[in-house]
Amino acid sequence: KQEVTQIPAALSVPEGENLVLNCSFTDSAIYNLQWFRQDPGKGLTSLLLIQSSQREQTSGRLNASLDKSSGRSTLYIAASQPGDSATYLCAVKRSGSARQLTFGSGTQLTVLP
Amino acid sequence: DTGVSQDPRHKITKRGQNVTFRCDPISEHNRLYWYRQTLGQGPEFLTYFQNEAQLEKSRLLSDRFSAERPKGSFSTLEIQRTEQGDSAMYLCASSLALGASGGYQETQYFGPGTRLLVL
Repeated sequence: KQEVTQIPAALSVPEGENLVLNCSFTDSAIYNLQWFRQDPGKGLTSLLLIQSSQREQTSGRLNASLDKSSGRSTLYIAASQPGDSATYLCAVKRSGSARQLTFGSGTQLTVLP
Repeated sequence: DTGVSQDPRHKITKRGQNVTFRCDPISEHNRLYWYRQTLGQGPEFLTYFQNEAQLEKSRLLSDRFSAERPKGSFSTLEIQRTEQGDSAMYLCASSLALGASGGYQETQYFGPGTRLLVL
């Protein structure tokens, strides 16, 4: 059974700091990995998707990396802003017939002005 | 608005009542997913549809839960005889998966969710 772990569970940083969020998964047989953002009481917004054959993806101040063999992904946020405050979730899509995503519990990020 | 929509956004019900939620996916998307999310946790998979066919159900989906996607468009999730443990956010997602490479490139787009509180 695929398990996804995110560390830390919560993180508080001053504005402008660069930061890294971590995600690990137990089964390396994946199609892809997605990073999502969730604001309180809201749905999920997809940030980045990395296919299993890729090493990283970038969008603006966000960069996500994937090391499938070690079962790890990181989300790097450059020059953090208060508007980045949210919960960040990673999710993996397992290879094979299963189509659903398996999520971690998220990292709650607070960026202080 | 061309995103995934869900209705209602909030539902309060008494234990034992039946509730039904609706999800309207992005119009050209062929896959539709239901997830459940409790406080402080990531979403957990419930079931998914490829067009109108329900292809997979989680063990979380007890016999009190039923989902439909008639005509491969909108979907409904019904919970019968609700219990306090059913209180959660119910999220719908849709995606467009194409051909053999669809699995690698498939991005799921989520709706705003329906928050259920069972008293």
